[in-house]
Amino acid sequence: GQSLEQPSEVTAVEGAIVQINCTYQTSGFYGLSWYQQHDGGAPTFLSYNALDGLEETGRFSSFLSRSDSYGYLLLQELQMKDSASYFCAVRPGNTPLVFGKGTRLSVIA
Amino acid sequence: NAGVTQTPKFQVLKTGQSMTLQCAQDMNHNSMYWYRQDPGMGLRLIYYSASEGTTDKGEVPNGYNVSRLNKREFSLRLESAAPSQTSVYFCASSEDGGGGQPQHFGDGTRLSIL
Repeated sequence: GQSLEQPSEVTAVEGAIVQINCTYQTSGFYGLSWYQQHDGGAPTFLSYNALDGLEETGRFSSFLSRSDSYGYLLLQELQMKDSASYFCAVRPGNTPLVFGKGTRLSVIA
Repeated sequence: NAGVTQTPKFQVLKTGQSMTLQCAQDMNHNSMYWYRQDPGMGLRLIYYSASEGTTDKGEVPNGYNVSRLNKREFSLRLESAAPSQTSVYFCASSEDGGGGQPQHFGDGTRLSIL
């Protein structure tokens, strides 16, 4: 089977940097994705890593280490609007994404 | 761009009633998905359709049926609703099932079963 582990909650201060970790165990691996979901809203795609290393998109970066079955999402210059839930997801093989249970990020002043 | 449209947005049912959740996408995507989201459980896949004419079970298919009506539309049916099916249901689509292809989600249907 597949399993993904990520912290359930994280709190950080506005303007700071926060890292949300994700470890996974899957029978196959085609890449790690990250999605953001605001309360009452729909999940939206943030990033995708197929290869080891860091991918940067504005204030958000995502990292993958395939050998460690580990990745993280890095949010810089935190803003209040970044308060949301963040989900990591993996595609184990020729099958759809499997999502983690999500990390609720609270940004405080 | 409408993207992925789900109807209805809210619904209350009584135990044993049936209903169909509708989903349509206008992005010419091949793959479509139905998820349910419960507090603390993340998104769990109910059924998916990798292409028009095919459907497959996901992690939690019991109590549900699906129909891929055409390339645009993918419906989810509850034949005999149970309180355990109270949840938020999301439909999503992607160009194909590839890991790098982002999934686009609808706004969700909030379903309560009494």
